[in-house]
Amino acid sequence: SQQGEEDPQALSIQEGENATMNCSYKTSINNLQWYRQNSGRGLVHLILIRSNEREKHSGRLRVTLDTSKKSSSLLITASRAADTASYFCATVPNRDDKIIFGKGTRLHILP
Amino acid sequence: DAGITQSPRHKVTETGTPVTLRCHQTENHRYMYWYRQDPGHGLRLIHYSYGVKDTDKGEVSDGYSVSRSKTEDFLLTLESATSSQTSVYFCAISARQNTGELFFGEGSRLTVL
Repeated sequence: SQQGEEDPQALSIQEGENATMNCSYKTSINNLQWYRQNSGRGLVHLILIRSNEREKHSGRLRVTLDTSKKSSSLLITASRAADTASYFCATVPNRDDKIIFGKGTRLHILP
Repeated sequence: DAGITQSPRHKVTETGTPVTLRCHQTENHRYMYWYRQDPGHGLRLIHYSYGVKDTDKGEVSDGYSVSRSKTEDFLLTLESATSSQTSVYFCAISARQNTGELFFGEGSRLTVL
């Protein structure tokens, strides 16, 4: 079964608003990663947060990790039309080479 | 962009025929992965490789086999394609175990009639 589950499945917001997506997972992890996928394209890595980190920033992206709740959130601030895409969390279990993805959140930025 | 090439990019085949998808990388990365992406399921890991001739199963490996005879090539074979294997297949590579980010190819769309 899949490790990560994103919430919500789909999200529509106005341009300029902030978008928040959540990811829950089941087992202990080494790190958690977020990826973006534009329609018809391969996934692109956005940010990685390690299990001993609680928050990380990259440009307009902010990721938090709560290992006690086995959850992470991705915040995109000041959204733009170009942010329209699907977003996936990927968990990297301890002592394992497998990188397991969730089902993704479809984000649509309205003009 | 990471040097990953998937071939073919599109293929239509009939049930029962063998199909091989190829992933070629120019980055000399050790780890290579095959995922399939289906509506409602996201990406699911089929097989992965942690070195030449070293492979392991993922979540949905039944009906698939892989081979890696060279660092740069990772082949995914469907011995006898079924309609349930209609999907978009993505190859990904990584330089490091666990802590490495994945670089993805552009995908191979396979339709099994």
